[in-house]
Amino acid sequence: AQSVTQLGSHVSVSEGALVLLRCNYSSSVPPYLFWYVQYPNQGLQLLLKYTSAATLVKGINGFEAEFKKSETSFHLTKPSAHMSDAAEYFCAVSASGGGADGLTFGKGTHLIIQP
Amino acid sequence: KAGVTQTPRYLIKTRGQQVTLSCSPISGHRSVSWYQQTPGQGLQFLFEYFSETQRNKGNFPGRFSGRQFSNSRSEMNVSTLELGDSALYLCASRPTTGSYGYTFGSGTRLTVV
Repeated sequence: AQSVTQLGSHVSVSEGALVLLRCNYSSSVPPYLFWYVQYPNQGLQLLLKYTSAATLVKGINGFEAEFKKSETSFHLTKPSAHMSDAAEYFCAVSASGGGADGLTFGKGTHLIIQP
Repeated sequence: KAGVTQTPRYLIKTRGQQVTLSCSPISGHRSVSWYQQTPGQGLQFLFEYFSETQRNKGNFPGRFSGRQFSNSRSEMNVSTLELGDSALYLCASRPTTGSYGYTFGSGTRLTVV
């Protein structure tokens, strides 16, 4: 069974500051890991995914995440926050790339950008 | 390329009724899955379909069911609605090969009164 823990239900940063959203996972098999973003009244948009090709994954909108097996972590970062980054962010894990077992999501982190 | 389309966007139903939600995946995507999102429980996996076959189901009662048609379109049905079924229901599709990331629709907001 898989599980995901996102540390911090709310994270507040100033515009232009570093964004760091934390995600730790638990998986009995090598995991596939994902970060999704959700804007109000919308569905989920895939930011990036880790599928064992490279430990540092670059995504859309300047986000990236690093897979650290020893720490069972997959933290999301962005060097400089923009007001448009304000949204809900979800980390998800799958044992089979999002196939038959579906995605297991964390509880989400609400990112607040201070002007 | 059109995205994942879910209809309707909003729905209000009365306790005890049943409801059917529809999802049209991205053209060429044969795998469709459904998720329930609530403030209390977050995002939870409902079920996943591939080539008209349900491959897995999450921990939900039998009132929740679904199906997939030969054109990959999918429907989910909830019978005997309860207040706790009020949620955003999200459908997602993905290609059968290559990318492992699901593309999500905008969801159907179901309110049970």
